[in-house]
Amino acid sequence: NAGVMQNPRHLVRRRGQEARLRCSPMKGHSHVYWYRQLPEEGLKFMVYLQKENIIDESGMPKERFSAEFPKEGPSILRIQQVVRGDSAAYFCASSPPKPQETQYFGPGTRLLVL
Amino acid sequence: GEDVEQSLFLSVREGDSSVINCTYTDSSSTYLYWYKQEPGAGLQLLTYIFSNMDMKQDQRLTVLLNKKDKHLSLRIADTQTGDSAIYFCAEDRGSTLGRLYFGRGTQLTVWP
Repeated sequence: NAGVMQNPRHLVRRRGQEARLRCSPMKGHSHVYWYRQLPEEGLKFMVYLQKENIIDESGMPKERFSAEFPKEGPSILRIQQVVRGDSAAYFCASSPPKPQETQYFGPGTRLLVL
Repeated sequence: GEDVEQSLFLSVREGDSSVINCTYTDSSSTYLYWYKQEPGAGLQLLTYIFSNMDMKQDQRLTVLLNKKDKHLSLRIADTQTGDSAIYFCAEDRGSTLGRLYFGRGTQLTVWP
């Protein structure tokens, strides 16, 4: 049973470009969470999604960031017009249908904005 | 809101016990978690404890929970060099939505 998959593992973008980060949850998991880890900090919650629904986006910056989890395919975290401060590791986690079940994390996407 | 607090660094000799401490923020947290992060990798769930328990043991790992002081600790017995990693404490603050709140992590270094 494959774990949570994220790609790309590393992404380099110039300021002003768009970044698209993908997350495929574990088989049987219908809940996806995105977290951001800034250098030498803990993870900060960004958004919680179920298929075709955003349940909690209280941790998402108001501008430039969006997330989706379509009926088919991976969850996507999209960052438009990236700035240097967006450089971080972005982790996706998934959990089974009961949200208080434990979350399993992917390996992360490390975004570097030049 | 307030942050989950952890010491940033801990060094121990191979074979000794390690104790990593955490102070969480919300007495309504239902579950408390310990995750391990190795360099360049994602977070691996090590163990978790339900808030109505005060201790949980799992092989070399012992979790102690003091709800009165909102203090959580992780003890690793017979620490090995492979245990060197960053250890994160996390709480759910009673959320039914599954959102977790993490500390900054404790870098554990194990010397041979």
